[in-house]
Amino acid sequence: QQPVQSPQAVILREGEDAVINCSSSKALYSVHWYRQKHGEAPVFLMILLKGGEQKGHEKISASFNEKKQQSSLYLTASQLSYSGTYFCGTEVNSGGSNYKLTFGKGTLLTVNP
Amino acid sequence: NAGVTQTPKFQVLKTGQSMTLQCAQDMNHEYMSWYRQDPGMGLRLIHYSVGAGITDQGEVPNGYNVSRSTTEDFPLRLLSAAPSQTSVYFCASSYSGQEETQYFGPGTRLLVL
Repeated sequence: QQPVQSPQAVILREGEDAVINCSSSKALYSVHWYRQKHGEAPVFLMILLKGGEQKGHEKISASFNEKKQQSSLYLTASQLSYSGTYFCGTEVNSGGSNYKLTFGKGTLLTVNP
Repeated sequence: NAGVTQTPKFQVLKTGQSMTLQCAQDMNHEYMSWYRQDPGMGLRLIHYSVGAGITDQGEVPNGYNVSRSTTEDFPLRLLSAAPSQTSVYFCASSYSGQEETQYFGPGTRLLVL
């Protein structure tokens, strides 16, 4: 079952902040975040494991609330290069080798000068 | 390292034709997977493999077949192409699956007439 991302789209001016949310109806083992530029393959940003940790990558950080089965991606002081579609991927701990990474429908982020 | 490679980059098929989308990786990754991407639908998992000789179904497996005879290769077969299979197909790989970064190939654009 696909996780739900919100918002579907967001438009920013350079320097503004944004938050992208990802929620699941199932208990999560981990959350992955990827960014895809138009016409290109998705590129890895970060992984968060259950435990409520927060990770950072330059001015992009994320949190994972395992109790609420939610994750949020924070983009601060946005740059033009941040434009693209952001996907969260969720992993349910189904045990053994039955590993599946299920992606949300994506959030289109546009950063204007 | 070439990473994850996919061939062809673009293909046009007629309804009912069959074809194989090739995927190869040179990173000695155990886990490989196939996704399709359609506008507004995000990335949907078709099939995945946790190692040579082991495959399993994802969210949308109907109409597709896979096999994994070697660690390096994970071909996706369309048995009888339908217009609904028009999509962009991405292959991805990672060391073990769980908690691991997924490396995506450049994608194959498929048009079924």
